[in-house]
Amino acid sequence: QLQLQESGPGLVKPSETPSLTCTVSGGSISSTSYYWGWIRQPPGKRLEWIGSIYYSGRTYYNPSLKSRVTISVDTSKNQFSLKLSSVTAADTAVYYCARHILGYCSTSSCYLNWFDPWGQGTLVTVSS
Amino acid sequence: SYVLTQPPSVSVAPGKTARITCGGNNIGSKSVHWYQQKPGQAPVLVIYDDSDRPSGIPERFSGSNSGNTATLTISRVEAGDEADYYCQVWDSSSDHYVFGTGTKVTVL
Repeated sequence: QLQLQESGPGLVKPSETPSLTCTVSGGSISSTSYYWGWIRQPPGKRLEWIGSIYYSGRTYYNPSLKSRVTISVDTSKNQFSLKLSSVTAADTAVYYCARHILGYCSTSSCYLNWFDPWGQGTLVTVSS
Repeated sequence: SYVLTQPPSVSVAPGKTARITCGGNNIGSKSVHWYQQKPGQAPVLVIYDDSDRPSGIPERFSGSNSGNTATLTISRVEAGDEADYYCQVWDSSSDHYVFGTGTKVTVL
């Protein structure tokens, strides 16, 4: 059974660039049928998609976060990672990783579907 | 960007039917997915592509989508169904995966 597990720094200071990693077990991150995504949830608020990556390295990012986000993949470790630059208190959230189901691709873009399954999440708190 | 609006809360008695709506402009033309999130836990997919159920999700969960409203229906509600529920779509205009505002279902 596919499982995802996030790891991260927990507490970071404003303006830092934390890095989070998602380790995939029970399946290969190099599957051609899936992307791999990051989603976050500030305390008491809704879910927010951050971005998704294919095993080849192709990425899609939330337009509102694109300038501060970098998602990368390490197929040898079956992991993918998130870096978020210049964090502020507004970036305090539980960060989830999830498998993002691939729908179809045109010559220029891919259409992704739902997220399943999800990791348990890791809380990142931004505070001085 | 595309906005998905859900009622903040829905209350339902055990054994009755809960209906959770997700409103969006011409949402009927999009595929809608639904997630259940219990306190302190990660979201779990309960409906995908408007009305399909993943394996392991009870038949009591069903979905529909038409016009400007998608609906998640929970029949014969149980205490264990108490959770937050989120809808999600792909907004093609911004290539952005959008979640709804979330609905807290309370079992009376």
